[in-house]
Amino acid sequence: DTEVTQTPKHLVMGMTNKKSLKCEQHMGHRAMYWYKQKAKKPPELMFVYSYEKLSINESVPSRFSPECPNSSLLNLHLHALQPEDSALYLCASSHATGGTEAFFGQGTRLTVV
Amino acid sequence: RKEVEQDPGPFNVPEGATVAFNCTYSNSASQSFFWYRQDCRKEPKLLMSVYSSGNEDGRFTAQLNRASQYISLLIRDSKLSDSATYLCAVTNPLHTDKLIFGTGTRLQVFP
Repeated sequence: DTEVTQTPKHLVMGMTNKKSLKCEQHMGHRAMYWYKQKAKKPPELMFVYSYEKLSINESVPSRFSPECPNSSLLNLHLHALQPEDSALYLCASSHATGGTEAFFGQGTRLTVV
Repeated sequence: RKEVEQDPGPFNVPEGATVAFNCTYSNSASQSFFWYRQDCRKEPKLLMSVYSSGNEDGRFTAQLNRASQYISLLIRDSKLSDSATYLCAVTNPLHTDKLIFGTGTRLQVFP
């Protein structure tokens, strides 16, 4: 069974706060992704890690900082966010990069106040 | 032209109906194609990959038309539980790690 676990499920943070989103998978997948999704919009790719190395950064502002401590974990560190950064943040993983099927976690619904 | 385009719908169909969605992509070199289902305020769930030879899983059939650059999803015998947004996804041929989503097609099945 495929499972990607994200914590927390909901997060409210002020514009001066520092927080982190966490993602974990134990399927042996070697690629992990962060997506951002606004209401009634499709998911937008932010970062891709392949074999624990950052392979794609979609020109994401530096207030978002990804980290891949090991092949099972992916973090997204947040600092000095803006209200327009409020969205659903989705983590996904796939067996490998290059067009393989990606499986999503339940997401973290982030509200910046 | 957007890289991946879908009719946003909504498609309102009665239970038992057959419904089909199309998704067009702009880059003819794209290699991998997928359909995802997303319920309101939930994560996208992989429904099926789309192979060159087509793919069938129960009531769901996906097809790829490379000549016209579109993929399709056919749902037979619609159930109330099929109500959701259906997202197509295409990999970028220059960066195959990038999965590009269409805006999604909303399906509402009514009794």
